[in-house]
Amino acid sequence: KAGVTQTPRYLIKTRGQQVTLSCSPISGHRSVSWYQQTPGQGLQFLFEYFSETQRNKGNFPGRFSGRQFSNSRSEMNVSTLELGDSALYLCASSWSGGGTDTQYFGPGTRLTVL
Amino acid sequence: DAKTTQPNSMESNEEEPVHLPCNHSTISGTDYIHWYRQLPSQGPEYVIHGLTSNVNNRMASLAIAEDRKSSTLILHRATLRDAAVYYCILRSFGNEKLTFGTGTRLTIIP
Repeated sequence: KAGVTQTPRYLIKTRGQQVTLSCSPISGHRSVSWYQQTPGQGLQFLFEYFSETQRNKGNFPGRFSGRQFSNSRSEMNVSTLELGDSALYLCASSWSGGGTDTQYFGPGTRLTVL
Repeated sequence: DAKTTQPNSMESNEEEPVHLPCNHSTISGTDYIHWYRQLPSQGPEYVIHGLTSNVNNRMASLAIAEDRKSSTLILHRATLRDAAVYYCILRSFGNEKLTFGTGTRLTIIP
């Protein structure tokens, strides 16, 4: 069974630009969550989508948004990039999003903002 | 979200057991205790989880205190491949969100 895939793996952007990251969950998984990892703040939850609906949201500004498609693939978008948005963005998928469901993480997209 | 407290770092010799502690004194009755680990340059991976009883799987064992205010992840025979940051996470039933703390950086000495 293929794991969670994220594209692109690496990305370099400049301040003010916008970026879209993609995540393909494990086949059959309907919940997709996004996390940001930085050396200073560690791993922080961004949002979670289930059946194309945002079900949970972390404490990030509105510049961070996401969506989920009918095939459960998900994208996250960051508009008006700031230097502090440089981070590893991780996507995780799970079957239904229950409290005991295992989340499977992808390798991440490393975003560098110059 | 209920918080967990873990030591920043631990060292262990290869092929010896490792006990990674976690304190969660504000745990609620519906909180499951999850452990994930993150190997260098990889996304986190699931290790084990439990509610009240001790749990075993092929990767590790989870020992949960009777009052549930602490737990210990046990790696029975550490290998170099177990060097990672280990996160202890409380997750309420039905909540998909994982709230990561700072974790414990485990170093394995050959």
